[in-house]
Amino acid sequence: DTGVSQDPRHKITKRGQNVTFRCDPISEHNRLYWYRQTLGQGPEFLTYFQNEAQLEKSRLLSDRFSAERPKGSFSTLEIQRTEQGDSAMYLCASSSPVPNIQYFGAGTRLSVL
Amino acid sequence: AQRVTQPEKLLSVFKGAPVELKCNYSYSGSPELFWYVQYSRQRLQLLLRHISRESIKGFTADLNKGETSFHLKKPFAQEEDSAMYYCALKDTDKLIFGTGTRLQVFP
Repeated sequence: DTGVSQDPRHKITKRGQNVTFRCDPISEHNRLYWYRQTLGQGPEFLTYFQNEAQLEKSRLLSDRFSAERPKGSFSTLEIQRTEQGDSAMYLCASSSPVPNIQYFGAGTRLSVL
Repeated sequence: AQRVTQPEKLLSVFKGAPVELKCNYSYSGSPELFWYVQYSRQRLQLLLRHISRESIKGFTADLNKGETSFHLKKPFAQEEDSAMYYCALKDTDKLIFGTGTRLQVFP
């Protein structure tokens, strides 16, 4: 296991298109988190799962955003009708309950043209 | 509101000089704080957490509840310390990050 894996690494899309990102957590980690990072800012929390249950969503997560973790393993983050303001690095992290340390993936960089 | 403030966007020092990266927080409860580091072209990784009270790569950070601070310190900076450093606060299970400080260590 080489850590948290995210796919794709880069995504360029046109405004109005839908995009989906995938995150594979470290095996045995039951918690999975999504963050968004824009230029000059630290990562901002979007949502997180414990197993397949989505336990918290940020106000940043508009109706156009949806995240799933159907089998409690990998997760997908979908953005519908993308806008230029969605351009950012989308980071995934995972953790186990003990110790509750979040390990991050390399991220998916989204560019909306 | 829960918040993490890193007042310096950039900190430049020469090799061998002491380093202090500032972090202040606002939290209504018992805080749990972390420092994450991102080296060039690498992913964000944990540097240290306050409850461990350990020194990693020569860095230490002490939680000061009176000053609501968790400054990161190293007595003698190395060129390989050049990176982006983020202070983070755990709020329930999520992390709240500061805006980061870029540390540049010149030879």
